[in-house]
Amino acid sequence: DAGVIQSPRHEVTEMGQEVTLRCKPISGHNSLFWYRQTMMRGLELLIYFNNNVPIDDSGMPEDRFSAKMPNASFSTLKIQPSEPRDSAVYFCASSLQGNYGYTFGSGTRLTVV
Amino acid sequence: AQSVSQHNHHVILSEAASLELGCNYSYGGTVNLFWYVQYPGQHLQLLLKYFSGDPLVKGIKGFEAEFIKSKFSFNLRKPSVQWSDTAEYFCAVAGGSQGNLIFGKGTKLSVKP
Repeated sequence: DAGVIQSPRHEVTEMGQEVTLRCKPISGHNSLFWYRQTMMRGLELLIYFNNNVPIDDSGMPEDRFSAKMPNASFSTLKIQPSEPRDSAVYFCASSLQGNYGYTFGSGTRLTVV
Repeated sequence: AQSVSQHNHHVILSEAASLELGCNYSYGGTVNLFWYVQYPGQHLQLLLKYFSGDPLVKGIKGFEAEFIKSKFSFNLRKPSVQWSDTAEYFCAVAGGSQGNLIFGKGTKLSVKP
């Protein structure tokens, strides 16, 4: 089992550019979660999906952030336009039925300059 | 709404000292409880979890946690820490039907050799 796969591992971009983060959940898991981790705010849940359907996006900071899950094996988190305050580590996690503990990906470290 | 409180921001111990990290949650219904560990520069990994049954849960690497329902607590313990336990530890709670995890702010543990 390859685990939850995120790409890229590191992303450096200029303010105003579009950024797309990608996630492949564990095969068979039907829940997928996007988290953001910063020193100031800790781990924040941005959005999660059950069976490819967005359930709660109340954690998405603003309209510049969007997430999609077109199928059970792929999800994207897009920031357009990016700002320096978006700099953080973004983690994707997946689970089976949501209540049984998550498996996290290795994260994407985003730096917006 | 669910919330998780971790009392200590940073704990510094010498090797072989005993460890107890506090975690309190607020949720009125049935909860599932988790401890995750994040080693420097790595992603979160599951240490242990509680769903039901014996309130004393044993996890990996000699860690254990005790669920005390009356105190809404799920403290993490280890009788003798090692330098390799240096990491950040996150308590998390999942409740309700949707199953999204709510994380505490984390406790950074530094173990001096």
